[in-house]
Amino acid sequence: KAGVTQTPRYLIKTRGQQVTLSCSPISGHRSVSWYQQTPGQGLQFLFEYFSETQRNKGNFPGRFSGRQFSNSRSEMNVSTLELGDSALYLCASSSLTSTETDTQYFGPGTRLTVL
Amino acid sequence: AQKITQTQPGMFVQEKEAVTLDCTYDTSDPSYGLFWYKQPSSGEMIFLIYQGSYDQQNATEGRYSLNFQKARKSANLVISASQLGDSAMYFCAMRDTTPSKLTFGTGTRLQVTL
Repeated sequence: KAGVTQTPRYLIKTRGQQVTLSCSPISGHRSVSWYQQTPGQGLQFLFEYFSETQRNKGNFPGRFSGRQFSNSRSEMNVSTLELGDSALYLCASSSLTSTETDTQYFGPGTRLTVL
Repeated sequence: AQKITQTQPGMFVQEKEAVTLDCTYDTSDPSYGLFWYKQPSSGEMIFLIYQGSYDQQNATEGRYSLNFQKARKSANLVISASQLGDSAMYFCAMRDTTPSKLTFGTGTRLQVTL
């Protein structure tokens, strides 16, 4: 079974631009979560989508948004980029067949650099 | 609020030796799950092992085992017979009331030497 895929793997943008990152979950997984990883703040939860609905959201400004499609693929968008948005963005999927063992499987990440 | 603490920023271990990576957690939720992930320099987070709060036995997965001490709120990862390929960052994470949201520790960088 193919793992979680994320595109693109690397991105370079300038301040003020917007960016869209894509995530394809493991086949059959309906939950997709997004995380931001920076050297200063570590790994932080952005949001989670399940059946095309955002169920949970972390403590990030409204510039960070996302959506999920009917095939469970998800995108996240960051508008009006700031230097501090430079980070590794990780997507994870889970099957949620059990509330106890909903292990999240991560993709390779998208490394975003804002200049 | 839930919190994960990893007090070892870096660890060294010789090849073929065992190593323990520490993790303590804090949550008021009686139902939670504890996870360990490995992150090589490539960036991908690789799932290693899971322990549920109601599990009676410590989890094991190949060379990985989780030393779960509920009263102490600790969930240490034990890697037996270390290999050079084990060199990476290791993160402890917890999921409690919010489904599909993991809270991560700051990680431990493990370096396996010859």
